[in-house]
Amino acid sequence: EVQLLESGGGFIQPGESLRLSCAASGFTFSTSGMSWVRQAPGKGLEWVSSISYNSEFTPYVDSVKGRFTISRDNSKNTVFLQMNSLRVEDTAVYYCAKGAMSRPIDYWGQGTLVTVSS
Amino acid sequence: EIVLTQSPATLSLSPGERASLSCRASQSISSSLSWYQQKPGQAPRLLIFDASNRATGIPARFSGSGSGTDFTLTISSLESEDFAVYYCHQRSDWPLTFGGGTKVEIK
Repeated sequence: EVQLLESGGGFIQPGESLRLSCAASGFTFSTSGMSWVRQAPGKGLEWVSSISYNSEFTPYVDSVKGRFTISRDNSKNTVFLQMNSLRVEDTAVYYCAKGAMSRPIDYWGQGTLVTVSS
Repeated sequence: EIVLTQSPATLSLSPGERASLSCRASQSISSSLSWYQQKPGQAPRLLIFDASNRATGIPARFSGSGSGTDFTLTISSLESEDFAVYYCHQRSDWPLTFGGGTKVEIK
């Protein structure tokens, strides 16, 4: 059974940093592209970033470029999202998801809430 | 950026009725389209991938069609558990994008 378990969310002030983690199990993590997708309160889904299986390709949505960094540790079956210079508009539930462009996003974690507010 | 436009925004139907949800892409995405169902407080669930392929465990009442720029998700006979929000998603080009969603509500 595929499981994706996010952690690291919380309440944070504008300008601060946060690191999200996603522990994966139930599939061959080291050959799978992974993604982060967010959902602001009451809004739709927004793709944030993806990472190829070998970390060589890491695209981002324009609104987070230069502030967010996606990475992975295949030895620990974990993908990360380092979020710096957080803004109020980054407030959302952040979902870890299996898949990206080469394979459809087929499994989602339950999400972790990030609240940015002064 | 490929923009996905879903219509209608809200669909009010009764159990047993047929639902047709539309997703239109701003440029051709071949068949690189998925459909997801999301219920309140839950993560999205994959229903259809590559425009017309049902995901594992998805009931046969869900079907997808289309290619290029016009896509449809059809629910042949609505069950009570099908009332939810549905999103389309393209993985043809970066940035990956999602449609704005269609809410299927009980009439």
